[in-house]
Amino acid sequence: ELKVEQNPLFLSMQEGKNYTIYCNYSTTSDRLYWYRQDPGKSLESLFVLLSNGAVKQEGRLMASLDTKARLSTLHITAAVHDLSATYFCAASGGYNKLIFGAGTRLAVHP
Amino acid sequence: DSGVTQTPKHLITATGQRVTLRCSPRSGDLSVYWYQQSLDQGLQFLIQYYNGEERAKGNILERFSAQQFPDLHSELNLSSLELGDSALYFCASSAEGGYTGGYLAETQYFGPGTRLLVL
Repeated sequence: ELKVEQNPLFLSMQEGKNYTIYCNYSTTSDRLYWYRQDPGKSLESLFVLLSNGAVKQEGRLMASLDTKARLSTLHITAAVHDLSATYFCAASGGYNKLIFGAGTRLAVHP
Repeated sequence: DSGVTQTPKHLITATGQRVTLRCSPRSGDLSVYWYQQSLDQGLQFLIQYYNGEERAKGNILERFSAQQFPDLHSELNLSSLELGDSALYFCASSAEGGYTGGYLAETQYFGPGTRLLVL
């Protein structure tokens, strides 16, 4: 059974600092997703990673995938307040049903 | 705006009742997925339909059922409601059903959700 673990679950960051969120999954998955959720809102797609070594970047966020280690990372560069949200990773569990991690609640403060 | 619509936005009902949640996928998307988000269980996959047929099932209770209609909209029916069914229910859609050999970056687009409160 595919399981997805994220850490940390809570992250308090100072503006301008860098940090990484980790996402481990338990069995082979052909796709890894990152989503953002603002409080009371829906999920916004950030990245879809398909292959080993895949790296995608959008603004201050960069996601990577290591399929051999079953690990994906979401790296935040020079955090700003607007990045405060909950970030979810999800692995595809066949037919693209998404198995989500618990989410990382990120708070960026001055 | 993802292009996925869900109604109603909020629903308050009593234990033992039955409700229907509705989802319209993005134009052209054939697959619809239902997810439940709650504080204790997190985000859980419930069920997927592809072009009118059930394709994958997750942690969906027997009291819950879903269908996808010929116009591709989907409904999630929740019956004999319990307090623990209170949650945010999301619908998502994608172009295909995901089974493309793993080489297609198929994003699932999420709707705004229906917040269900069972009293």
